[in-house]
Amino acid sequence: NAGVTQTPKFQVLKTGQSMTLQCAQDMNHEYMSWYRQDPGMGLRLIHYSVGAGITDQGEVPNGYNVSRSTTEDFPLRLLSAAPSQTSVYFCASSYRGEKLFFGSGTQLSVL
Amino acid sequence: GQNIDQPTEMTATEGAIVQINCTYQTSGFNGLFWYQQHAGEAPTFLSYNVLDGLEEKGRFSSFLSRSKGYSYLLLKELQMKDSASYLCAVRAESFQKLVFGTGTRLLVSP
Repeated sequence: NAGVTQTPKFQVLKTGQSMTLQCAQDMNHEYMSWYRQDPGMGLRLIHYSVGAGITDQGEVPNGYNVSRSTTEDFPLRLLSAAPSQTSVYFCASSYRGEKLFFGSGTQLSVL
Repeated sequence: GQNIDQPTEMTATEGAIVQINCTYQTSGFNGLFWYQQHAGEAPTFLSYNVLDGLEEKGRFSSFLSRSKGYSYLLLKELQMKDSASYLCAVRAESFQKLVFGTGTRLLVSP
């Protein structure tokens, strides 16, 4: 039982590049979400999903896309990376909106 | 709008008791969570309050007053490993959306 698996752990991009952050959970959780964490800002919700085929925007969705084709996977796509997207990204899942289980995080730098 | 306030930093001594406060102003309320986050790691769940009162779990307790928009996390018998950030999060109008405070960094010294 691995919990929430998030890859990669570190990534450096150039401005304008695109990439996908992977997130998978093996707890059969319906709810999955992506957060970014910046110094002095706390965790901010980017996108979330309440089940396969259903996604919705959070507080800071611009520049990011998500999809939920299966219960297990919830990838986050950066369409055209910008320096403002330099951050630590966390994927999380929960059972019906109860406590969140977080992945180990991705430290992303956009140059 | 959503607003959650916590002190930025606190210091305490090993073996002591520390109280970390959290005040919130949100549109709707469906529960308050506390998470612990060690430097460079992911947050982990500590406690959940949805009704007024105190929830105790070992050395950690969490209190909620919905009428005052106030919660605190009480850590007893502090240990060095308790040095971490403590995040207050409110489930506001949406069951799935959590609004996080900026976190309180706690430093425990010998």
